[in-house]
Amino acid sequence: ETVLTQSPATLSLSPGERATLSCRASQSLSSYLAWYQQKPGQAPRLLIYDASNRATGIPARFSGSGSGTDFTLTISSLEPEDFAVYYCQQRSHWITFGQGTRLEIK
Amino acid sequence: QVQLLQSGAELKKPGASVKVSCKASGNTFSDYYMHWLRQAPGQGLEWMGWIYPKSGGTNYAQRFQGKVTMTRDTSISTVYMELSRLTSDDTAIYYCARDLYPWKLLHWFDPWGQGTLVTVSS
Repeated sequence: ETVLTQSPATLSLSPGERATLSCRASQSLSSYLAWYQQKPGQAPRLLIYDASNRATGIPARFSGSGSGTDFTLTISSLEPEDFAVYYCQQRSHWITFGQGTRLEIK
Repeated sequence: QVQLLQSGAELKKPGASVKVSCKASGNTFSDYYMHWLRQAPGQGLEWMGWIYPKSGGTNYAQRFQGKVTMTRDTSISTVYMELSRLTSDDTAIYYCARDLYPWKLLHWFDPWGQGTLVTVSS
């Protein structure tokens, strides 16, 4: 099973700051990685797929990068609605998710 | 914009089965692979499998084989997920989710249903 390790577990930042979330895979994924945002009581929402493609309706402040085993989700300038839990997911070797990064208001 | 509407919360006893439904709005229901995932309380996400409504074909994650059955009724744009021999470990929110593009199996999940809480307790 491909293990995805997300870091940090919790990230405390203020609105307007830049957020950088990491996802590391136990084996190469090529570019088969996605990012999801989940707010309390809601279903996850797809943000990024194929490592760097924004899903429909996702603001440009969200960007994804990386390939192989190391991936990054960047939020260029945090808005109040961005504070949530973020998951990475791979589809290269079956389907697995990371354990999540909680982005909280500092 | 397609919406996925799931059935309501369920409370089941150990050993029982549960069947959750997911109804899609819009008229392209059959062209998209539909997935089921779950999230145990306070835990991460787990993919269970998919069904292709056009053909009825299915594929289940190895750990759910023999335990889950996915079916569909194209006349009402609805897919179903039935989980058998329930234990407390099956207590979770169950989500349906559509694959990203029609006719393609990409395993990118968008959009998602609102979720159905299944609680297994004696």
